[in-house]
Amino acid sequence: EAGVAQSPRYKIIEKRQSVAFWCNPISGHATLYWYQQILGQGPKLLIQFQNNGVVDDSQLPKDRFSAERLKGVDSTLKIQPAKLEDSAVYLCASSLGASANEKLFFGSGTQLSVL
Amino acid sequence: AQSVTQLDSHVSVSEGTPVLLRCNYSSSYSPSLFWYVQHPNKGLQLLLKYTSAATLVKGINGFEAEFKKSETSFHLTKPSAHMSDAAEYFCVVSETGTYKYIFGTGTRLKVLA
Repeated sequence: EAGVAQSPRYKIIEKRQSVAFWCNPISGHATLYWYQQILGQGPKLLIQFQNNGVVDDSQLPKDRFSAERLKGVDSTLKIQPAKLEDSAVYLCASSLGASANEKLFFGSGTQLSVL
Repeated sequence: AQSVTQLDSHVSVSEGTPVLLRCNYSSSYSPSLFWYVQHPNKGLQLLLKYTSAATLVKGINGFEAEFKKSETSFHLTKPSAHMSDAAEYFCVVSETGTYKYIFGTGTRLKVLA
């Protein structure tokens, strides 16, 4: 079974530039998550989709971050403009359903460095 | 609101000795609890999960965890550490109704030869 695919693997940008990350979840998985993992911290949920609808985006900085899930499959996360504090690993995960007992499958992440 | 506290940011053990990684949780309702492992340059992987069935949960690679409601704890253990266990471990809580998965800050396990 193919896993969660993310690209790019690494990205270096200057502050105030824009950047986009892409995620392709496991086929058939209804729920997709974007997490931000700052060095030395645990992953923090940015946004959760079920199919193509947003379930939770309470911790997404909406003035600069946006995300969409096209046709309930692939997803993109965008930052515009980037700040130094956005330097982190951005993790995409997917799960079959949307319950409290799901096994989350994670991609390898995109490591973002903002200079 | 639910949360988890991982009591140790770093743990070092010698190969062949027991491993104990501590996690306390806070939850308004019956929680689901998980342990995930993150090896360097690899994605997060589920080790085990507790979902209100047996309080002692067995996971992959010889790990197990015990849910103790009275202590609000879900500590991860392994009888004998192996070099390949060196990684970062995250305790995760979820609640029925919110379906949000909240991660702890992680415990980095170092295994000494």
